[in-house]
Amino acid sequence: NAGVTQTPKFQVLKTGQSMTLQCAQDMNHNSMYWYRQDPGMGLRLIYYSASEGTTDKGEVPNGYNVSRLNKREFSLRLESAAPSQTSVYFCASSSLDAQPQHFGDGTRLSIL
Amino acid sequence: EDQVTQSPEALRLQEGESSSLNCSYTVSGLRGLFWYRQDPGKGPEFLFTLYSAGEEKEKERLKATLTKKESFLHITAPKPEDSATYLCAVGSGNTGKLIFGQGTTLQVKP
Repeated sequence: NAGVTQTPKFQVLKTGQSMTLQCAQDMNHNSMYWYRQDPGMGLRLIYYSASEGTTDKGEVPNGYNVSRLNKREFSLRLESAAPSQTSVYFCASSSLDAQPQHFGDGTRLSIL
Repeated sequence: EDQVTQSPEALRLQEGESSSLNCSYTVSGLRGLFWYRQDPGKGPEFLFTLYSAGEEKEKERLKATLTKKESFLHITAPKPEDSATYLCAVGSGNTGKLIFGQGTTLQVKP
């Protein structure tokens, strides 16, 4: 029962470096999401993909890009990392919009 | 503007001491209210969905209720293993997306 799998689990970057966070789900869900979670801020939506082939901005998209590679995989890219992007990143999936979302265990990202 | 507020931010209970967590919301066209549990270092784990006022759901020591403006998560005779952060989210009729509250961190002492 893998559910939603995120890699890597931890990462430390220097300011200006780039990296891609990977997410895969095995529940045949149509919709996938990327969130960041910061102390006192709750979960904030970065980008989402309602279905394969579509992506849209969420609440805090600046500094990020996404790719819906296929129905299973949804990646998040930081092109030029900034200290303000230090956070815990969660990927989630759901069968449709406004349905229960199922989360991975997160990527803890520190940018120095 | 869609908004979710959870209270209290933190709650300490003795084992067996029942209590309730509150989730107040304003949303355009509620498309479900969702409760999650989050353990340290883990992602949120789905607990319940409520869709209409008056609806109730139960799971072990947890019972979720919904009115037109708020939801309660009642914890009956909690155990230390119930210690976690509980998150509430509403489905927005405007965007179809979930809006999350900041969570209530529950600590149950033996």
